[in-house]
Amino acid sequence: TQLLEQSPQFLSIQEGENLTVYCNSSSVFSSLQWYRQEPGEGPVLLVTVVTGGEVKKLKRLTFQFGDARKDSSLHITAAQPGDTGLYLCAGDPGGSYIPTFGRGTSLIVHP
Amino acid sequence: GAGVSQSPSNKVTEKGKDVELRCDPISGHTALYWYRQRLGQGLEFLIYFQGNSAPDKSGLPSDRFSAERTGESVSTLTIQRTQQEDSAVYLCASSWNGMNTEAFFGQGTRLTVV
Repeated sequence: TQLLEQSPQFLSIQEGENLTVYCNSSSVFSSLQWYRQEPGEGPVLLVTVVTGGEVKKLKRLTFQFGDARKDSSLHITAAQPGDTGLYLCAGDPGGSYIPTFGRGTSLIVHP
Repeated sequence: GAGVSQSPSNKVTEKGKDVELRCDPISGHTALYWYRQRLGQGLEFLIYFQGNSAPDKSGLPSDRFSAERTGESVSTLTIQRTQQEDSAVYLCASSWNGMNTEAFFGQGTRLTVV
């Protein structure tokens, strides 16, 4: 059983479409991170959400942390081919400071 | 350096041979992590170093895997008697002080065991 469940697993869309991906858990997190990983590269940190209900925006990307701090979502507006990649959420529910990762959502944006 | 550096980028080895993978973390980062990523899978935690504390080895899959870190700098991950199931990308990450889970990753070492 995955500590962090991400959905959907795969997403293939056209340029200009909007999309939302989800990261869910039954555990409470003090913070959650979102990363993007491109082929042949390591994950790159996008954002950290800390407060329940928090919304953070990074250009066309909007991140939300659930009120109970058990889930998070990433919404992309007007997706572009450069958004293509594997989106990973990560957190540490047990205070060990070791990031546990979900399996990710693989996004392909077609021109 | 400016980021986490891993070497080699790619390694092909014969089954049964030993391999050493190297990680240079961001200068000043006290926490260092190793992860394994199999094709199409998420990141599997292997080992965690924080300062001078004893490493957390709870993710190492077998006693063929070991890792060392010199002070708060370079780390090496060693896999002895490699097996085909060890084929994966091995990712190293470092963090400022290990007090949160914001990690900065290297580009990974792609290991292929033939």
